[in-house]
Amino acid sequence: GQQVMQIPQYQHVQEGEDFTTYCNSSTTLSNIQWYKQRPGGHPVFLIQLVKSGEVKKQKRLTFQFGEAKKNSSLHITATQTTDVGTYFCAGGNQGGKLIFGQGTELSVKP
Amino acid sequence: DGGITQSPKYLFRKEGQNVTLSCEQNLNHDAMYWYRQDPGQGLRLIYYSQIVNDFQKGDIAEGYSVSREKKESFPLTVTSAQKNPTAFYLCASSITDLPNQPQHFGDGTRLSIL
Repeated sequence: GQQVMQIPQYQHVQEGEDFTTYCNSSTTLSNIQWYKQRPGGHPVFLIQLVKSGEVKKQKRLTFQFGEAKKNSSLHITATQTTDVGTYFCAGGNQGGKLIFGQGTELSVKP
Repeated sequence: DGGITQSPKYLFRKEGQNVTLSCEQNLNHDAMYWYRQDPGQGLRLIYYSQIVNDFQKGDIAEGYSVSREKKESFPLTVTSAQKNPTAFYLCASSITDLPNQPQHFGDGTRLSIL
């Protein structure tokens, strides 16, 4: 079945460094959503991108949706310890399903 | 305060035993979902329901069963046929089942084998 691949699986950064996670789909997506799961917690919706080439920002977080609507990225500028957690992308496919990526676990060393 | 309530938070299953995980929402959402989360594998869809009295198998439905008799409730039964049930189970809901609707998650249930 359709998969949404997310890399890297783990990322360890020093506080203040930047962080990026990438999602790739083999097929065109109708939309892409991003979620954050804090350690021991549940996923929380962050944002949704729908348009080709769309870029959205939330403070230090920048989300992009590729021109072909097959890939997306989340970039965090100057990470803080509060950014720790696992970031998931989830792509909407033509069948009307939301497919989650495997997640990128971010750890931040103070 | 609207949200999704999962119970119990921790659950232990004996060999050959069926256990039921509760999921209740007061968001008036039509669609509800059950996911299984294992380390390094993200969220895998077990079952979903678009509307009351209807539900569909997800990617890993074998060994699980669900019911949707009320809009607010979507319990998941982990049967004895599920040989590797140890995982973190997450229930979610959305206004509709369309993929452009954000999903709201409960706090999850951690299931372990005794």
